[in-house]
Amino acid sequence: ELKVEQNPLFLSMQEGKNYTIYCNYSTTSDRLYWYRQDPGKSLESLFVLLSNGAVKQEGRLMASLDTKARLSTLHITAAVHDLSATYFCAVELAGKSTFGDGTTLTVKP
Amino acid sequence: ETGVTQSPTHLIKTRGQQVTLRCSSQSGHNTVSWYQQALGQGPQFIFQYYREEENGRGNFPPRFSGLQFPNYSSELNVNALELDDSALYLCASSPRWGLQETQYFGPGTRLLVL
Repeated sequence: ELKVEQNPLFLSMQEGKNYTIYCNYSTTSDRLYWYRQDPGKSLESLFVLLSNGAVKQEGRLMASLDTKARLSTLHITAAVHDLSATYFCAVELAGKSTFGDGTTLTVKP
Repeated sequence: ETGVTQSPTHLIKTRGQQVTLRCSSQSGHNTVSWYQQALGQGPQFIFQYYREEENGRGNFPPRFSGLQFPNYSSELNVNALELDDSALYLCASSPRWGLQETQYFGPGTRLLVL
């Protein structure tokens, strides 16, 4: 059974600081997703990563994938308050997506 | 291009009742997945449909069933509702063979079982 673990589960950071969220998974996968969810809202797609060494960047967020280590990272650069949300990674295998428990990020002034 | 829509937005049922939730996929998408998200948790995969056939299923009992129609809209049916079925139900659509494509989520249906 595929397991996906994120850490940390909760993250409080100051504006302007950098931090990384980690996503470990237990078996090989077809692709890995990162999503953002605001309170009471649905999920917004951030990145889809397919191959080993894949790196994608959008604004202050950068995601990478190491399939050999079964690890993906979401790096936050110079955080701003608008990035406060819950971030999920999800691993897809044979049509089935397994989500991590999410990382709730709070960015403080 | 319209996004993924779901109906209803909110629903209250009692234990033992049956419920049908609906999803309209994004234009051009032939794959739809359904998820259950309990409060404070990540979404749990229920099942996926591709071209009207079930293409994968998570660890949910048979009382959770689905349909996908020729226009790629979809339904999630839950029979014999239990209190633990209270959750946000999300559908997500994607083009099946678009490897670079992600899933696009609808706004969800919030179900409360009393």
